[in-house]
Amino acid sequence: TQLLEQSPQFLSIQEGENLTVYCNSSSVFSSLQWYRQEPGEGPVLLVTVVTGGEVKKLKRLTFQFGDARKDSSLHITAAQPGDTGLYLCAGGGSNYKLTFGKGTLLTVNP
Amino acid sequence: KAGVTQTPRYLIKTRGQQVTLSCSPISGHRSVSWYQQTPGQGLQFLFEYFSETQRNKGNFPGRFSGRQFSNSRSEMNVSTLELGDSALYLCASSSQGLSSYNEQFFGPGTRLTVL
Repeated sequence: TQLLEQSPQFLSIQEGENLTVYCNSSSVFSSLQWYRQEPGEGPVLLVTVVTGGEVKKLKRLTFQFGDARKDSSLHITAAQPGDTGLYLCAGGGSNYKLTFGKGTLLTVNP
Repeated sequence: KAGVTQTPRYLIKTRGQQVTLSCSPISGHRSVSWYQQTPGQGLQFLFEYFSETQRNKGNFPGRFSGRQFSNSRSEMNVSTLELGDSALYLCASSSQGLSSYNEQFFGPGTRLTVL
């Protein structure tokens, strides 16, 4: 059974601070996605990384896939209140299934 | 292109009843997956349908079932509801093409409350 562990589980920071959240597994994934979910809504896909060592940037968000394709990180620079939400990582395998972590609940205070 | 739609958005049922939830995927998407989300367990995979066939199944009891129609719309059914079935039920669609990398597009969910 493939498992994804996300840390930290909760994170509360002030506007303007930087932060990093992590997604780790003992399994290799063919792809790794990050989603953000706001209260009462479904997760929204932010990015997909597929190559070991790959780095993708989305404005103030930087995503990295580990060299061995077992882990990933999301770094947010100068966080804003609009970044508040549940950040979920999901690993894709060869069986068309996604394995989700339990998420990091981020609160950015004005 | 319209997104994934789910109906109803909110539902209140009592123990022992059954419920049917509906999901319309993004046009052209042939794969529909269902997830149960609770604060304690996070997103748990229920099942996935592709071209009317159940292709993957999670570890849920037989009270949870689903189906997919020829137009890719999907329904899931929960029979003999229990208090623990209270959750946000999410539907996601995917093109499942060779370059899709399992990317899934979620609907807003159905919030089910069992009293």
